[in-house]
Amino acid sequence: GAVVSQHPSWVICKSGTSVKIECRSLDFQATTMFWYRQFPKQSLMLMATSNEGSKATYEQGVEKDKFLINHASLTLSTLTVTSAHPEDSSFYICSASPPVGSHEQYFGPGTRLTVT
Amino acid sequence: AQSVTQPDIHITVSEGASLELRCNYSYGATPYLFWYVQSPGQGLQLLLKYFSGDTLVQGIKGFEAEFKRSQSSFNLRKPSVHWSDAAEYFCAVATGSGNTGKLIFGQGTTLQVKP
Repeated sequence: GAVVSQHPSWVICKSGTSVKIECRSLDFQATTMFWYRQFPKQSLMLMATSNEGSKATYEQGVEKDKFLINHASLTLSTLTVTSAHPEDSSFYICSASPPVGSHEQYFGPGTRLTVT
Repeated sequence: AQSVTQPDIHITVSEGASLELRCNYSYGATPYLFWYVQSPGQGLQLLLKYFSGDTLVQGIKGFEAEFKRSQSSFNLRKPSVHWSDAAEYFCAVATGSGNTGKLIFGQGTTLQVKP
C-alpha cells in the first residue's frame, strides 16, 4: 500500500514552454502533498506544500507564478513549470501524506525535467 | 532553526562489513525522525522511522537506527552490507504538527560497496 506515482517520469521541453507534472496517490487519499526539487548529487529541497482544495504554500525563494501547483482532488496534485528555462532542469519529486496524522510521507519516483 | 546534518558525504565499505551512517538533528521538540534510501534516478524509499517509544528501531532490508536524545543523533546501522545497498541515504526530521509536517533532509550520504 501507500503508492505514489508521477507522470511523466522524464520530459524534455523547449525553453519558454510549460510542462505539467502529475502526482497521484494510488491507494490512499492525500490531504497534503509536497513538491521537492533535487539537483544532482544534492539533497531534496522542499518547494511547496499542497493542500487539497486550497492554495499551495510555497517555501521562501520559490516563485509561485513560475511553479504552479494545483491539488484538485485527494489523489492528484499537479506541478506546472511555466515558461521553462534551462535552469529549471532538475529532478522533481512529489510526496503525499495520508489524512491520519503520522508525519509520514510517501514519495513518488520522480520526474526528470530537461529544458533545452 | 531545525536542521539535519549528515557528516559523511561519501562512505565506502566492503561487502559483508558493518555499516554506520551518522545523522545529527537540531529540533526543539520531540523529533519525528526518518531514514530514506534513494537509488540513482529514483524516488525515496522509507527504511525506518522513529516517533516515540523504543529508541532502537528496526527497518526494512536489515537496517536499524538508534535514537539518542542526549546526542541529538539518529544513526543508521547494518551489521552486514550487501552490494545492493549501494545508494544515497537521507536522514530527515519532520517539523510541524499533524500530518502536514514538513520534512527537513540532511545532505545525504553516498554509500559505495566494494566487492
